Amino acid sequence: DGGITQSPKYLFRKEGQNVTLSCEQNLNHDAMYWYRQDPGQGLRLIYYSQIVNDFQKGDIAEGYSVSREKKESFPLTVTSAQKNPTAFYLCASSWTSDSYEQYFGPGTRLTVT
Amino acid sequence: KQEVTQIPAALSVPEGENLVLNCSFTDSAIYNLQWFRQDPGKGLTSLLLIQSSQREQTSGRLNASLDKSSGRSTLYIAASQPGDSATYLCAGGHDAGGTSYGKLTFGQGTILTVHP
Repeated sequence: DGGITQSPKYLFRKEGQNVTLSCEQNLNHDAMYWYRQDPGQGLRLIYYSQIVNDFQKGDIAEGYSVSREKKESFPLTVTSAQKNPTAFYLCASSWTSDSYEQYFGPGTRLTVT
Repeated sequence: KQEVTQIPAALSVPEGENLVLNCSFTDSAIYNLQWFRQDPGKGLTSLLLIQSSQREQTSGRLNASLDKSSGRSTLYIAASQPGDSATYLCAGGHDAGGTSYGKLTFGQGTILTVHP
């Protein structure tokens, strides 16, 4: 089955620790995206990548880092510099032509205490 | 900067009722408008996508319209069912030129409850 997988579903970390969230897609999409969702707010774009080995900052990139070494993978690292890391993180992918329709993974809920 | 607003924030209706969810955006230079459904604790499921050159899209009991000139989109749900209960999000896609293509700006969502 084609789709986007995110792991783990739930993640718990102590304050001050870096943590990496996984996102894999087998849709052969060129572009991948990371969003953050907080209660009562819409999704906000963290980083996006249009092609392997290239990525751009979104609206709230501070305290996050990404890599795009393979077309199917786009891991997100939440660093200790992120002041409020507890949130629901969603990964998405799309073609870079035609409709650009985005498809989303199931999400990872990160709790930092 | 694009801003997307959804009204109402929450809606509760009896089963069988037809309903309309509203989405407004400030920058009419959008590339597309996408409607999503989100169940509690889950990811987003794409419902309908309207290209900037289109006026509406239909899928089953769902119909979405787009009016770029007025900065509005609506999602019409016919004959609502309890299984339609979820949060509905709209998102405007940035213009496909330059390096910003594919970026979506989301509204805060409408929480829909359909009671039997």
